[in-house]
Amino acid sequence: DAGVIQSPRHEVTEMGQEVTLRCKPISGHNSLFWYRQTMMRGLELLIYFNNNVPIDDSGMPEDRFSAKMPNASFSTLKIQPSEPRDSAVYFCASSPSGTGEQPQHFGDGTRLSIL
Amino acid sequence: GDSVTQMEGPVTLSEEAFLTINCTYTATGYPSLFWYVQYPGEGLQLLLKATKADDKGSNKGFEATYRKETTSFHLEKGSVQVSDSAVYFCALSDKGAQKLVFGQGTRLTINP
Repeated sequence: DAGVIQSPRHEVTEMGQEVTLRCKPISGHNSLFWYRQTMMRGLELLIYFNNNVPIDDSGMPEDRFSAKMPNASFSTLKIQPSEPRDSAVYFCASSPSGTGEQPQHFGDGTRLSIL
Repeated sequence: GDSVTQMEGPVTLSEEAFLTINCTYTATGYPSLFWYVQYPGEGLQLLLKATKADDKGSNKGFEATYRKETTSFHLEKGSVQVSDSAVYFCALSDKGAQKLVFGQGTRLTINP
């Protein structure tokens, strides 16, 4: 079974550049989550979608961050303009829609470094 | 709001030792509880789960029991291996919600 697929695995770019992270959820999963992981703050939920609709974006740090899910098999997280403090590992996860009893399945993450 | 508190790490043990990683939670309802494991360079993987009080989740020799009276979900393994070295996360989700609330993670190192 194909798991959650994220690209790129690593991204190094200069401050001020636009960064786009991509995610393909597991087929048939209706919910998609974007997380950020850093040593200082641990694992933070940025935003999640249910049936392609954003449900909760309260974790998005500021207007520089935006996320879209144009269809059930693709989502993007965009940072524009990027800053050094955005350096982190970004994870995408998906789960079947339901009652909260279903586990989330994580991709291997994108390690982002902003110079 | 809901929260999860895990035992502070890092934890270092010798191979074949007994492992306990403590996890307690605060939630308004009756959440589902999870343990996830993260190996170096990888995403989180579900290790085990329990969805109601007194349920025991188990996988790969790890176990955790949902204790409503003590609001706990401690992770245990009777004999750890070097390959168990990873970061372990306790998490909860409220019924009807799909957000996971994670603990801060516990780094476990097993020495041969």
